[in-house]
Amino acid sequence: NAGVTQTPKFQVLKTGQSMTLQCAQDMNHNSMYWYRQDPGMGLRLIYYSASEGTTDKGEVPNGYNVSRLNKREFSLRLESAAPSQTSVYFCASSAHPGDSPTNFYEQYFGPGTRLTVT
Amino acid sequence: QQQVKQSPQSLIVQKGGISIINCAYENTAFDYFPWYQQFPGKGPALLIAIRPDVSEKKEGRFTISFNKSAKQFSLHIMDSQPGDSATYFCAASKGYTGTASKLTFGTGTRLQVTL
Repeated sequence: NAGVTQTPKFQVLKTGQSMTLQCAQDMNHNSMYWYRQDPGMGLRLIYYSASEGTTDKGEVPNGYNVSRLNKREFSLRLESAAPSQTSVYFCASSAHPGDSPTNFYEQYFGPGTRLTVT
Repeated sequence: QQQVKQSPQSLIVQKGGISIINCAYENTAFDYFPWYQQFPGKGPALLIAIRPDVSEKKEGRFTISFNKSAKQFSLHIMDSQPGDSATYFCAASKGYTGTASKLTFGTGTRLQVTL
């Protein structure tokens, strides 16, 4: 049971390049999230997917797109990377109340992707 | 606009001492207040959480104190150990929207426990 996995672990991009960050969970969770973590700013929600087939914007969606490929996988795409997108990106997942009545609020995080845009 | 304010930014505590981290929130619709612990190079992991219908929750050496009228909550780590050295984030959620629980995080506190 790997939990939440993310690839790649590290990535360096040049300004204007594109890339996709991959996330997968094996906990049969319905909801998945993408956050970015910057020094002194905590974690900020980029996009989330309440269930397969739905996605919604979070606090800082500009410059990003997401795809909920299936129940397990949720990818984050940077179409034209900018230095301001240098950050550590975390994917997380959580259960549905019907699946876990007592701890459906808990989010399980992956190990992160450290992205540098030069 | 920061909806959850966390202090201090960093904290140094001697082994065996009490570590205290404070958070304040603005949105009275928040109804779930977790604390996450993050070690270097790892993702955050849930440490302990509280709902606003109780004023305190204790799990081992970790206690959340919650003051609804002041819109504040705090994490107390008793008998702090070097293994507790990590970054701690408070967070708040407005409850379950559809099928997703969106968390708003504080800015984090880096705790160092010295020998």
